Amino acid sequence: NAGVTQTPKFRILKIGQSMTLQCTQDMNHNYMYWYRQDPGMGLKLIYYSVGAGITDKGEVPNGYNVSRSTTEDFPLRLELAAPSQTSVYFCASSYGGQGANEQYFGPGTRLTVT
Amino acid sequence: EDQVTQSPEALRLQEGESSSLNCSYTVSGLRGLFWYRQDPGKGPEFLFTLYSAGEEKEKERLKATLTKKESFLHITAPKPEDSATYLCAVQARDSNYQLIWGAGTKLIIKP
Repeated sequence: NAGVTQTPKFRILKIGQSMTLQCTQDMNHNYMYWYRQDPGMGLKLIYYSVGAGITDKGEVPNGYNVSRSTTEDFPLRLELAAPSQTSVYFCASSYGGQGANEQYFGPGTRLTVT
Repeated sequence: EDQVTQSPEALRLQEGESSSLNCSYTVSGLRGLFWYRQDPGKGPEFLFTLYSAGEEKEKERLKATLTKKESFLHITAPKPEDSATYLCAVQARDSNYQLIWGAGTKLIIKP
């Protein structure tokens, strides 16, 4: 049981380039999330998904896109990278449902845009 | 507006010196309050969920408590391996997914 896995661990992009951050979970969780974490700041929600084929915007969606074609995978696409997107990106998943839903996180991707 | 404030921002303790971290929250009905531990270069690791005022949970040297306005993470006789950033988050009763996150407390335990 690997939990939540993310690739790559590190990436350097030039301004204007694009890339996809990969996320996979093997816990059969319905909900998946993408966050960014900047130094001294709380986690900011970029996008989330409540199931395959269903996605919605979080607090800071501009410059990003997502898709969810399977329960397991939730890739995050960055188009036209900008220096403001330099951050650490975390993917997370949770069971969903009526109770309080603790989220389980991947190891993160550290992205630098120069 | 729902929000979470953690204090202090950083805390340095000697090994064995007990203390507490604070998480103050404002939310329109609490579904759950979560504590996480985050080591440098890693993702947050889930520690506890608290659901209602008066509830307490323990894990090794950590004990989390909850009131109607705040939660405390008590650390008893800490060891250097307890050094990490501790994050607090709340889920409102009217949300199935969204967590409101605090900025964290960086805990450093010196041997």
